[in-house]
Amino acid sequence: KAGVTQTPRYLIKTRGQQVTLSCSPISGHRSVSWYQQTPGQGLQFLFEYFSETQRNKGNFPGRFSGRQFSNSRSEMNVSTLELGDSALYLCASSSDPSGNTGELFFGEGSRLTVL
Amino acid sequence: AQSVTQPDIHITVSEGASLELRCNYSYGATPYLFWYVQSPGQGLQLLLKYFSGDTLVQGIKGFEAEFKRSQSSFNLRKPSVHWSDAAEYFCAALTGGGNKLTFGTGTQLKVEL
Repeated sequence: KAGVTQTPRYLIKTRGQQVTLSCSPISGHRSVSWYQQTPGQGLQFLFEYFSETQRNKGNFPGRFSGRQFSNSRSEMNVSTLELGDSALYLCASSSDPSGNTGELFFGEGSRLTVL
Repeated sequence: AQSVTQPDIHITVSEGASLELRCNYSYGATPYLFWYVQSPGQGLQLLLKYFSGDTLVQGIKGFEAEFKRSQSSFNLRKPSVHWSDAAEYFCAALTGGGNKLTFGTGTQLKVEL
């Protein structure tokens, strides 16, 4: 069974631009979560989607948004990029439809560098 | 606020030695607790989880963890460390609806041969 796939793996943007990251969950998994990982702030929860609906949201500004498609694939978008948005963005999927398991399968991440 | 604390940023052990990584949580109810591991350039992998019941839980790769409510701790242990265990280890708690996890800051494990 294929794991969680994130694209692109690496990307470089400049301040003010916007970026879209993609995540394909494990087949059959309907929950997709996004996390930001930085050396200073560690791992921080961005949002979770289940069946195309945002189920939970972290404390990030509105520049960070996401969506989920009917095939469970998810995208996150960051608009008006700032230097501080440079991070590893991790996507994770879960098989439990009711949530509340915390058993997440992570992708390898998309490393964003903002210049 | 709910939080997870990992007091040790870096730990170095010799191969074959025992290992204990510390984790403390601040949570009102019985928490759901986890340990994840991240190898360089990789995503995170679940090692083990605690929901309820037996306070000593077994995980993959020979790891175990013990939940101690009186100490608000969930320490990870391994009797004999292998060089391939070198990685960053994260303790986490389920802190919201769905699958929202709050992670500790991580402990970087170095294994000396």
